[in-house]
Formats: sequence, structure tokens, C-alpha cells
Amino acid sequence: DIQMTQSPSSVSASVGDSVTITCRASQGISSWLAWYQQKPGKAPKLLIYTASGLQSGVPSRFSGSGSGTDFTLTISSLQPEDFATYYCQQANSFPYTFGQGTKLEIK
Amino acid sequence: QLQLQESGPGLVKPSQTLSLTCTVSGGSLSSGSNFWSWVRQPAGKKLEWIGRVSISGSSSYTPSLKSRVTMSIDSSKNQFSLKMRSVTAADTAVYYCVNGNSYGDSWGQGTLVTVSS
Repeated sequence: DIQMTQSPSSVSASVGDSVTITCRASQGISSWLAWYQQKPGKAPKLLIYTASGLQSGVPSRFSGSGSGTDFTLTISSLQPEDFATYYCQQANSFPYTFGQGTKLEIK
Repeated sequence: QLQLQESGPGLVKPSQTLSLTCTVSGGSLSSGSNFWSWVRQPAGKKLEWIGRVSISGSSSYTPSLKSRVTMSIDSSKNQFSLKMRSVTAADTAVYYCVNGNSYGDSWGQGTLVTVSS
């Protein structure tokens, strides 16, 4: 299985700040990567697909980049509703696997 | 837009079979992406993709669970299902049904399954 490692595990930031989360794959996955946002007690919500594609309805302050093994999710101008846990997921080969999550907390 | 809803027992005894159903509304199984999946999440832990079944009925499972899992589709009822045999406490988790070819485009709200005697 392809292992996905996110960093940091948690990050504190203030409303209006910009935050970057990274995800590293244990082997090359081309651009087959997604980012999700999950709030407590809720299902994950797809934000970014194929590394940089913005899912319909997702605000443009969310952006993704990368290919191969290293990827980033950037959230610019943080809003109160952005404080949540974020997961990356590889879709290069089955079984699809997720990172361990990055919890974004209010400073 | 498709809506997915999981249903099934919230409590299963060890060594028994976990059975969950996902009912799709707002469209048919064939109107969504080709693959219908189950993903689970133990409390406080990361997500795990259990497996997926295509609209044609072919399935793929994560190797660590393959020997215990079966997924199937019932297009006449607009449902797909998960059966997991010989469960243990390690299978306690929130189980989500998901639609998407490579990513989780649409998710059910999730259902908590506890394995306990």
C-alpha cells in the first residue's frame, strides 16, 4: 500500500492568516491526490482533486499543488469555518489511502 | 445531487457479521460515478478505504480486509451493501458510504458500528 504522511499533525492560526499543509507519498502518485476537510461528527468534504482541481462550490482561497510524491494544500485568508481537520488521499493505486490528518486550530 | 444514507445495526457481537446498506436518493446508482465505496474511521483515527464496487458489479477490496469483506449492488433498490465477517473490536468505527471514481465526491453522513458483546 502507498503510505501518505501529512505535516504538521496540527497547526494553530488566526482568522485572516494563510496556512500550508503538506502531504508526502511513499512512492510517486503522479497527480492522483485529493484533499478533504472534515469537521467533528461530519463526513469528509472533497476540496481538491487531481492535486490542484478545485471541487465545485469550494471557495477559491483553497488551492492545491504538487505532483509525484510531494503535495501542498494552501488556505489563504482563513475564515472561521475553515478550522477543521484536513486529510490527503492518494488515488494512484488501490487500495486508496489517506494521510493521518492535520488539525487546524484557532490561535 | 445524489444523497447517500447508511443503515444497519449499531451494535455487533464479536465474531459475527457486520451488514450495512447504503440507500441512494436524488438519482439512480447509474447516474452517479461508476464506483460505490465504503470508508471507515475509528474514533480519533484516520480514514480507511475498505473497498469499492462498480455499477457493473466488479469489486476491489483493501488487502488487509479482503478475506472478510463482500460488497454488492442492488440497482433495483438503488442500494449497495457491505458485509464484513468475523468482526472484532478493531472493526469499531464510523462507516461511510461514498460515490466517486477515484475520489470521494459524495458521502453519506456515516453510521457508528460498535463491536462488543
